[in-house]
Amino acid sequence: DIQMTQSPSSVSASVGDRVTITCRASQGIGNWLAWYQQKPGKAPKVLIYAASSLQSGVPSRFSGSGSGTDFTLTISSLQPEDFASYFCQQADSLGLTFGGGTKVDIK
Amino acid sequence: QVQLQESGPGLVRPSQTLSLTCTVSGGSVSSGTYYWNWIRQPAGKGLEWIGRIYTSGTTDYNASLKSRVTISVDTSKNQFSLKLTSVTAADTAVYYCATYSGSRGSFDYWGQGTLVTVSS
Repeated sequence: DIQMTQSPSSVSASVGDRVTITCRASQGIGNWLAWYQQKPGKAPKVLIYAASSLQSGVPSRFSGSGSGTDFTLTISSLQPEDFASYFCQQADSLGLTFGGGTKVDIK
Repeated sequence: QVQLQESGPGLVRPSQTLSLTCTVSGGSVSSGTYYWNWIRQPAGKGLEWIGRIYTSGTTDYNASLKSRVTISVDTSKNQFSLKLTSVTAADTAVYYCATYSGSRGSFDYWGQGTLVTVSS
């Protein structure tokens, strides 16, 4: 299976901050990468698919970039509702695998 | 908009079989638009893909669970189901059903999740 490594595992930030989360695949996955947001007690919600395509209804402050093995999720100006956990997921090959997650909390 | 709802026992004894059903509304398991998936998440941990089924009945499973997992579909009830045999405490988790888009490579719709505890 392809291993997905996210960093950092947690980040403390303030409203208005720019936050960047990285995800590295153990082998090349092209642009077959998605990003999810998960709030406590809730199911994950897809933010980005195909590495950089914004899911309908997701605010434009979220953006994704990268290809091959290195990917980035950026929140350009952190809002109160963005404090949550974020996961990457590769879709290049079965078994589909997720990164370990990044928790964004309030500084 | 597709909606998914998991159902099944919240407590399973060790060595027994975990059985969950996902009821689909706003879409059809027969449509071929999505793959129908099960994903789990132990408390405070990450997400683990368990497996999926397509409308044709074709299944794919996580290699680490393959010997214990069966996913099936009931088109007459618009449901799909998960069976996980010989459970241990390590199988305690929130179990989600979700749709997967093959063209986008993403899990687009999720159920709310159901906690299954394995304990005697």
